[in-house]
Amino acid sequence: AQSVTQLDSQVPVFEEAPVELRCNYSSSVSVYLFWYVQYPNQGLQLLLKYLSGSTLVESINGFEAEFNKSQTSFHLRKPSVHISDTAEYFCAVSERGTYKYIFGTGTRLKVLA
Amino acid sequence: GAGVSQSPSNKVTEKGKDVELRCDPISGHTALYWYRQSLGQGLEFLIYFQGNSAPDKSGLPSDRFSAERTGGSVSTLTIQRTQQEDSAVYLCASSWGWEVAKNIQYFGAGTRLSVL
Repeated sequence: AQSVTQLDSQVPVFEEAPVELRCNYSSSVSVYLFWYVQYPNQGLQLLLKYLSGSTLVESINGFEAEFNKSQTSFHLRKPSVHISDTAEYFCAVSERGTYKYIFGTGTRLKVLA
Repeated sequence: GAGVSQSPSNKVTEKGKDVELRCDPISGHTALYWYRQSLGQGLEFLIYFQGNSAPDKSGLPSDRFSAERTGGSVSTLTIQRTQQEDSAVYLCASSWGWEVAKNIQYFGAGTRLSVL
């Protein structure tokens, strides 16, 4: 069975500081990995995904995540955060060839001025 | 429509009452999903519809929960005899096809259900 662990429920960080949101997964088969973002009062939006190939994936708004198979991790990073990055971030895995996501419990990122 | 629409955005009900939650997916999307987002629990898969195929109901937590999708478009999630533990945000998502690698799921803003 697959599972996703996001150890940090909340992460406060000052504007322009770097941030890392941690995600670890457990699976006995090959998986796809995703980060979704949920801004206040909005639905989830896909931020970035790892399917295959380069282990470093990037989003259009400066976030990046690196797939580390040996550590079964897919941590999300941004070198300099903005107030507008305040949101909840969900890590998810999906077994190849399926339609189901397994989501983590989410990390609430709060960017402070 | 431009995105996935859910109604109502908030629903307060009394324990024991039935509730209906509506999801209007993006036009043309054949796949539709319901998830439940409980405090500190992440998103829990409830049910999946794909075209005219039989739905995957494996995530429904009890027989008080049911869902239907009429005409391959709008879906309704019904919770009968609501309990306090049903309080959560119910999210709907839709996608063009079924495989997550090829088809992004687009989420609605959710319905926040509070059972008193």
